[in-house]
Amino acid sequence: QQQVKQSPQSLIVQKGGISIINCAYENTAFDYFPWYQQFPGKGPALLIAIRPDVSEKKEGRFTISFNKSAKQFSLHIMDSQPGDSATYFCAASRMDSSYKLIFGSGTRLLVRP
Amino acid sequence: NAGVTQTPKFQVLKTGQSMTLQCAQDMNHNSMYWYRQDPGMGLRLIYYSASEGTTDKGEVPNGYNVSRLNKREFSLRLESAAPSQTSVYFCASLSRGLREDYGYTFGSGTRLTVV
Repeated sequence: QQQVKQSPQSLIVQKGGISIINCAYENTAFDYFPWYQQFPGKGPALLIAIRPDVSEKKEGRFTISFNKSAKQFSLHIMDSQPGDSATYFCAASRMDSSYKLIFGSGTRLLVRP
Repeated sequence: NAGVTQTPKFQVLKTGQSMTLQCAQDMNHNSMYWYRQDPGMGLRLIYYSASEGTTDKGEVPNGYNVSRLNKREFSLRLESAAPSQTSVYFCASLSRGLREDYGYTFGSGTRLTVV
């Protein structure tokens, strides 16, 4: 049972374009939604995160949009750059003592020069 | 700043062999986690330790055991390796900064192949 569904599996965008990655979750108890970025040969690193009390959060070129009623959230990368080429994972967790993260299946982004 | 250190980086095992993956963090974090990463399946939680002295099962614990040796170290053991355990294994510890956001600090991974 996949609790966090992520799409697309892969994405190719031209430099300067907008990259959009979508995630949907099932468990309404989730209350924390981070995005991680992973470069080849490295571990994932926290990129940006949102809580369900806001509908959007922006940090530089990265924006999370959150739709609580639809149980969906998405990552938008504005002005995409070749250096953004990486695998992106959405995740979700409940704010309990374990802080366990449930990850989506990942999106491999390629930004062409 | 070492962060989270995993050893070894690469390993090839024969079916039925055992091994222990080591993980150590130098950030004084309470919580530590073991994930496996497989193509098209994201990262799946194997075991976690919310604090020193405690361990709990995650999504895919079968075939694995863990030990939280002390606050710094959290090891993962495969008692009898199977080809289905071929994967990249990541250890992580929980970072809770001054901001409301929290995140894991991941190690660089152990690429394990079971033949």
